[in-house]
Amino acid sequence: DAGITQSPRHKVTETGTPVTLRCHQTENHRYMYWYRQDPGHGLRLIHYSYGVKDTDKGEVSDGYSVSRSKTEDFLLTLESATSSQTSVYFCAIQGGGTDEAFFGQGTRLTVV
Amino acid sequence: DQQVKQNSPSLSVQEGRISILNCDYTNSMFDYFLWYKKYPAEGPTFLISISSIKDKNEDGRFTVFLNKSAKHLSLHIVPSQPGDSAVYFCAASARTGTASKLTFGTGTRLQVTL
Repeated sequence: DAGITQSPRHKVTETGTPVTLRCHQTENHRYMYWYRQDPGHGLRLIHYSYGVKDTDKGEVSDGYSVSRSKTEDFLLTLESATSSQTSVYFCAIQGGGTDEAFFGQGTRLTVV
Repeated sequence: DQQVKQNSPSLSVQEGRISILNCDYTNSMFDYFLWYKKYPAEGPTFLISISSIKDKNEDGRFTVFLNKSAKHLSLHIVPSQPGDSAVYFCAASARTGTASKLTFGTGTRLQVTL
């Protein structure tokens, strides 16, 4: 199994508070992704990174920011959480020269 | 606009029979297609993939077929086993620079009955 760890695994937070989710990999893969999974929508790309300090927006990036200061860590931040951001968040990693992405276990976030 | 569509939210198949999961796409720029399997409370796991230059790829009990002219792919599982019960996601990739961002369908829940 690919070495991907997401933390926390579960979080409940209040509307308007900042939240940071962490993805840590031990595979030294160049590409890292954040997806959210919602009923009826499958998985949708939030942001991705193609190297240290190199990030770009995905399909549903509004309200989210990311940072990648080290190859192994990719952080997703909700600056001011809203109820619409209640979801399951998945981090994925991908090596160069391949299209297969490997996913972490997910973080279930509830915004109340 | 859903670029990758899985029109069957659920499918029930008897153990030992064939399961066929379908996926349609609209973006002609997609050049690589993947299937992922997901159990509850776990992340998706990669199952099988196919390049747009091929029309079939087989791996044990799993075969993926690609019909580019129809923009359609399907996953065949034969024989189906109870452990195959999960949600299956179809995904497609179109390279942007060097990153291969995946676009997912909404998933099909497969239930394999005894």
